[in-house]
Amino acid sequence: GQNIDQPTEMTATEGAIVQINCTYQTSGFNGLFWYQQHAGEAPTFLSYNVLDGLEEKGRFSSFLSRSKGYSYLLLKELQMKDSASYLCAARDSNYQLIWGAGTKLIIKP
Amino acid sequence: GAVVSQHPSRVICKSGTSVKIECRSLDFQATTMFWYRQFPKKSLMLMATSNEGSKATYEQGVEKDKFLINHASLTLSTLTVTSAHPEDSSFYICSVGVAGDTGELFFGEGSRLTVL
Repeated sequence: GQNIDQPTEMTATEGAIVQINCTYQTSGFNGLFWYQQHAGEAPTFLSYNVLDGLEEKGRFSSFLSRSKGYSYLLLKELQMKDSASYLCAARDSNYQLIWGAGTKLIIKP
Repeated sequence: GAVVSQHPSRVICKSGTSVKIECRSLDFQATTMFWYRQFPKKSLMLMATSNEGSKATYEQGVEKDKFLINHASLTLSTLTVTSAHPEDSSFYICSVGVAGDTGELFFGEGSRLTVL
């Protein structure tokens, strides 16, 4: 079956760096997405990886290893507003998105 | 990108009533829209794909007579929860996918439904 695994919750300190991991198993692969979702709000797009390697976008970076079925989202210089859930989603061969349950990130001062 | 607006953001209704949720694509003509529901601390679950001018495609296990979807124009799709029950209480989110390299989804603000 198709599956996305990511940690349920993580805690980090303001100003620090945190890495949120995601492993996926899909029927075929057409890209890996990361979305941010604040409580009670809809998700917003953060990043997209389809080739192996690191994509950097400001304080956020996303990494993909297709051979390992693995991705991570790296957040630097953490701010209190980064407290949110981070959703990993993989797109399969039918271009259907398979969603993880999300990682709740708690930022402490 | 695309701007997607969803209404209402919150609705409380009595058991047995029907509730309509609207999803509008404000700056993009969307032939396809997606309807999701999300329970607390759970993943997004795709309910159906709404196709302009034709019937929606429902995911396995989603009752099409329970969740009526109408996509009458390129900018509007509606989801009607018929004869709502407390177990239908959830966060319903619509989204639009923009064609291109990434095809990321743009989401509406979501609608929190509480059925008493």
